[in-house]
Amino acid sequence: EAGVAQSPRYKIIEKRQSVAFWCNPISGHATLYWYQQILGQGPKLLIQFQNNGVVDDSQLPKDRFSAERLKGVDSTLKIQPAKLEDSAVYLCASSLEWPNQPQHFGDGTRLSIL
Amino acid sequence: AQKVTQAQTEISVVEKEDVTLDCVYETRDTTYYLFWYKQPPSGELVFLIRRNSFDEQNEISGRYSWNFQKSTSSFNFTITASQVVDSAVYFCALSEWTAGNKLTFGGGTRVLVKP
Repeated sequence: EAGVAQSPRYKIIEKRQSVAFWCNPISGHATLYWYQQILGQGPKLLIQFQNNGVVDDSQLPKDRFSAERLKGVDSTLKIQPAKLEDSAVYLCASSLEWPNQPQHFGDGTRLSIL
Repeated sequence: AQKVTQAQTEISVVEKEDVTLDCVYETRDTTYYLFWYKQPPSGELVFLIRRNSFDEQNEISGRYSWNFQKSTSSFNFTITASQVVDSAVYFCALSEWTAGNKLTFGGGTRVLVKP
């Protein structure tokens, strides 16, 4: 079974620029998550999708972050404009629809802001 | 509000020693799930185990074992006879039934196994 795919693996940009990350979940997984992991910390949920709809985006900085999941499969996370504090690893995860199922994570995108 | 605390930031052991990782959680829900994830240097979070709040039976799986105690809100994890490949950051996480599948992670414990 193919795992969660993410790209790019690494990204370096200057502050105030924009950046986008892509995620393809495990086939059949209705729920998709984006996490931000700052160095030395545990992952923090940014947004959770159930099929096309947003379940939880309470911790997404909506003035600069946006995410979409078209057709209930792939998802993109965008940051515009980026700030220095956005330097982190952005992890995508997916799970089956039933409550509290294990989440399976991709390798993440490491974002560095100069 | 849910909260997970991993008091140990780093543990260093010599190969074949046992390692126990502590996890303490806070929740107001009576139905919740606890997880352990492993994050090797490659960065991917690997799911290890899930336990629900009604299942306090401890389990052994190979070299891994778990000790879930609701009375002390703890969900500790032990690696027996550690190996160099066990070197990673280990995260404990909690999800509440009322919060869907939202995971709250602890700060992680870095385990370094020396040959």
